[in-house]
Amino acid sequence: AQSVTQLGSHVSVSEGALVLLRCNYSSSVPPYLFWYVQYPNQGLQLLLKYTTGATLVKGINGFEAEFKKSETSFHLTKPSAHMSDAAEYFCAVSDFSGGNQFYFGTGTSLTVIP
Amino acid sequence: SQTIHQWPATLVQPVGSPLSLECTVEGTSNPNLYWYRQAAGRGLQLLFYSVGIGQISSEVPQNLSASRPQDRQFILSSKKLLLSDSGFYLCAWRQGAGNIQYFGAGTRLSVL
Repeated sequence: AQSVTQLGSHVSVSEGALVLLRCNYSSSVPPYLFWYVQYPNQGLQLLLKYTTGATLVKGINGFEAEFKKSETSFHLTKPSAHMSDAAEYFCAVSDFSGGNQFYFGTGTSLTVIP
Repeated sequence: SQTIHQWPATLVQPVGSPLSLECTVEGTSNPNLYWYRQAAGRGLQLLFYSVGIGQISSEVPQNLSASRPQDRQFILSSKKLLLSDSGFYLCAWRQGAGNIQYFGAGTRLSVL
């Protein structure tokens, strides 16, 4: 079975500061890993994904994440936070099991302080 | 390009009334389809998924049901809503051989 743990349900950073959202996963097979962002009353939008190859992946809006197999982690970072980054962020893991299911973390709400 | 539509965007229903939420996908064929619920302050809970017409898998026992009458149509229903059914419902699709889930805009359901 696969699972995702997001440490910190709420994270606050100052505008211009580093954003670090943590995600650890559990998977018995090589995982596919994703970060999604959700703005209020909207659906989820894909930020970035890791499937194979380079372990540092870059996404939209200046975000990036690094897959670290030894730490079973896929933390999301952004060097400088903008006010528009305030949203809910979800980490997810998937594989090619029959149901093609995604397993989502419980989400991290990011607040950006001006 | 592919698009996913969910409606209605918001819905207020009394306890005990029926429910029907619809989701359709355009621009693809034979997608995997998913219904999630997001309760206030909580993560995503997978309710149902479907890998084909008439094929529904339920993840959790509940007051809801799902149907897939057509290849790109996924419907979430209830005969009698409960207060606990309130939440944000998201439909998603995924191409069987691919690995990204694409989400609809969601339906905010309030049961009063």
